[in-house]
Amino acid sequence: QKEVEQNSGPLSVPEGAIASLNCTYSDRVSQSFFWYRQYSGKSPELIMSIYSNGDKEDGRFTAQLNKASQYVSLLIRDSQPSDSATYLCAAMNRDDKIIFGKGTRLHILP
Amino acid sequence: ETGVTQSPTHLIKTRGQQVTLRCSSQSGHNTVSWYQQALGQGPQFIFQYYREEENGRGNFPPRFSGLQFPNYSSELNVNALELDDSALYLCASSLAGRGAAQETQYFGPGTRLLVL
Repeated sequence: QKEVEQNSGPLSVPEGAIASLNCTYSDRVSQSFFWYRQYSGKSPELIMSIYSNGDKEDGRFTAQLNKASQYVSLLIRDSQPSDSATYLCAAMNRDDKIIFGKGTRLHILP
Repeated sequence: ETGVTQSPTHLIKTRGQQVTLRCSSQSGHNTVSWYQQALGQGPQFIFQYYREEENGRGNFPPRFSGLQFPNYSSELNVNALELDDSALYLCASSLAGRGAAQETQYFGPGTRLLVL
């Protein structure tokens, strides 16, 4: 199993709906998890980090971490066309290095 | 803007050549990580430098090497370029000590390398 796994998509969501992005991870990663957004041709930008079980909210974004089931998710409420991008899930491995999944392409339909 | 800069923005090289990519970290950051991102893939960890010493390396051959300078700027050098080295090369800076459990990285804009 890869350290961080994501469905590559594309995931299509109508404008105004909730977009749900999921990520699973292996035992080889530690307790720090990150979501990055990457627009085409641009570098990743940090959206949220989460370290503890449960939910963390920031504006329209909510990160959810479930350590027992080894998954982390990102919810985007009231999806906007500008949210169309690739979303990268990342985690810190046991060597304290941040490892990325392949990313999920999200397309918000106007 | 993250405060992390990279140069050049684009580069075209031919197979067998050598290339040096540069990164200037965000002010106060002492750690820099380099990633290779092929088209349609997530960033792959190349190596990390902390206070001028290599602090971990991913699954890349020795022809990928790096340096970090006293001002925490950094270089990535790739020798004997291959066609598969064509990718976006990203550096990310952070402030961390060795073994830090939580580390937030901020990426530069990247250098897009094309090897012909």
